[in-house]
Amino acid sequence: GAVVSQHPSRVICKSGTSVKIECRSLDFQATTMFWYRQFPKQSLMLMATSNEGSKATYEQGVEKDKFLINHASLTLSTLTVTSAHPEDSSFYICSARRDSNSYEQYFGPGTRLTVT
Amino acid sequence: QKEVEQDPGPLSVPEGAIVSLNCTYSNSAFQYFMWYRQYSRKGPELLMYTYSSGNKEDGRFTAQVDKSSKYISLFIRDSQPSDSATYLCAMKGSTLGRLYFGRGTQLTVWP
Repeated sequence: GAVVSQHPSRVICKSGTSVKIECRSLDFQATTMFWYRQFPKQSLMLMATSNEGSKATYEQGVEKDKFLINHASLTLSTLTVTSAHPEDSSFYICSARRDSNSYEQYFGPGTRLTVT
Repeated sequence: QKEVEQDPGPLSVPEGAIVSLNCTYSNSAFQYFMWYRQYSRKGPELLMYTYSSGNKEDGRFTAQVDKSSKYISLFIRDSQPSDSATYLCAMKGSTLGRLYFGRGTQLTVWP
């Protein structure tokens, strides 16, 4: 199979603090990882695309200084929400693509972030 | 206008019913069409993948793409309570392109 894990599955933090979410491909190497955000009953919105060893490409309207993405290895990408605010509360989902010729993205189970 | 439009439902059907889910899109460059199933508080899982126009069948699931109408459908035959989930359509213009998702349709199949 192609399994992607995320940690933590849910996190509650106070306004102003930073939160790091990890995305790991467990049984394959992922050349590209994607970070999405999903509000209740809304679609997945792509936030950024990250390739191992290079800077992430952010979608228009996504603050790169607020949502820091690091893709340090072929099996791990992290998303850090800096100085979190209640409006950052959402469901964050990562996905991973196996190689440059693969069309399929494998999704993680998501991380529920609540900022109080 | 959104790239991909999908009626969010909710849709509620009895067990055994045929379910029809659909999406419309505006970008004629889309060539790859996917349906994902997402259970509550979980990530999406790929159900069906279709390239260009045509039909594709996999067990109880049939995906249809009509590029001339910019309209895609997913049919579920003999629906089961375990099919209860949110179904998202997604599409892209190239193999390695970014995915554009619909809002998802929430389906409940009651026994």
